[in-house]
Amino acid sequence: DVQLVETGGGLIQPGGSLTLSCAASGFTVSTNYINWVRQAPGKGLEWVSVIYAVGSTYYADSVKGRFTVSRDNSKNTVHLQMNSLRAEDTAVYFCARSLLHALDIRGQGTLVTVSS
Amino acid sequence: QPVVTQEPSFSVSPGGTLTLTCGLSSGSVSTSHYPSWYQQTPGQAPRTLIYSTDIRSSGVPDRFSGSILGNKAALTITGAQADDESDYYCLLYMSNGIYVFGTGTRVTVL
Repeated sequence: DVQLVETGGGLIQPGGSLTLSCAASGFTVSTNYINWVRQAPGKGLEWVSVIYAVGSTYYADSVKGRFTVSRDNSKNTVHLQMNSLRAEDTAVYFCARSLLHALDIRGQGTLVTVSS
Repeated sequence: QPVVTQEPSFSVSPGGTLTLTCGLSSGSVSTSHYPSWYQQTPGQAPRTLIYSTDIRSSGVPDRFSGSILGNKAALTITGAQADDESDYYCLLYMSNGIYVFGTGTRVTVL
């Protein structure tokens, strides 16, 4: 059974750093495209980042230069390193597998709150 | 980064039909954008309805259909039901490797 579990969220001060993790089961992250998507409170969905099977990475303009997505094949896990966090990064963060460029979101996400 | 626009809200009567659209600021939406559609109710994760323009995800009722209408992607709900009351988002894949969600449409069934 395919599962994706996001962890690592929490309360962080502006300017701080946080790393989110997405643990996969039922498939192998190294042969799939794994995305991060976020949703600020009361707002719409925002695509954040993707790591492709070949290892290439892409980011939304809003996070480019601050966020880094990586993969730990030995743990079948994808990470999102978030630096220089801002209040507007406050959101629930979901990870999702891409299949034919559609996102399969399985988990309930992890909440990141950026506040002093 | 391109902007993907959807109608902010839509109301439909039970049993009625509505078509939501998904437009691209930088031009026309085509099958090369692999448009997909998601339904989200409050407090829940988004559910994939349609992918690759017009393919229904497993378990999605056939009252949901996807297409390209003119220069936009479209999601049509035929025979709307009360539990279709949700937020709907489209997602487009861009040739430079990124994805962009639409602004979302809140559908009310009344």
